[in-house]
Amino acid sequence: QLQLRESGSRLVKPSQTLSLTCAVSGGSLSTADYSWSWIRHPPGKGLECLGYIFHTGNTYYNPSLKSRVTMSVDRSRNQFSLKLTSVTAADTAIYYCARHLDSGGFDYWGQGTLVTVSS
Amino acid sequence: QSVLTQPPSASGTPGQRVTISCSGSSLNIRGSAVNWYQKLPGTAPKLFIYSNNQRPSGVPDRFSGSKSGTSASLTISGLQSEDEADYYCATWDDSLNVLFGGGTKLTVL
Repeated sequence: QLQLRESGSRLVKPSQTLSLTCAVSGGSLSTADYSWSWIRHPPGKGLECLGYIFHTGNTYYNPSLKSRVTMSVDRSRNQFSLKLTSVTAADTAIYYCARHLDSGGFDYWGQGTLVTVSS
Repeated sequence: QSVLTQPPSASGTPGQRVTISCSGSSLNIRGSAVNWYQKLPGTAPKLFIYSNNQRPSGVPDRFSGSKSGTSASLTISGLQSEDEADYYCATWDDSLNVLFGGGTKLTVL
């Protein structure tokens, strides 16, 4: 059974960098037909996809965040990571990592981690 | 403001049929498949419908999806109390960006 688990900084100061890692177990990041994504849910708002990393290692970022987002993969540890720079209070959200099926949909999700941006 | 428009709320009584709409444009829904997610408080979203009308295993068959032109719908036939949740539609735009609707809070009266 595939499992994803987020870890990383829960409290980040404004203007600093948010860093999260998603550890994947029960499956490989290199398997074709899947990509791996970060999605966030700000309090009282809707879901937002920050981008995704393909099994090839290529990345796609949400244009609204592109200048601040970096995603990477560590195949030796079977995990992928998110960095979001210059954070503000608007970046406070529950951050989820998820697997995306090329045929459609995010079918596996981590449990989510609340990241708060505050001084 | 989401590019995909959903009604903020919907409601029904047990056994009723409820439909949640998702309105987009020729830049997104018309050219891409639509997926639907159920979100319960404190839990991660769960994929309920993919590729417009396909149900993952384990999703009750009272849930169905459809798409026509620039709009999509999620229909729940035979509403049950455990269906009370937030529902989100999602698709891609023409630049591969994943878009989510604003979400619909479904209340079972």
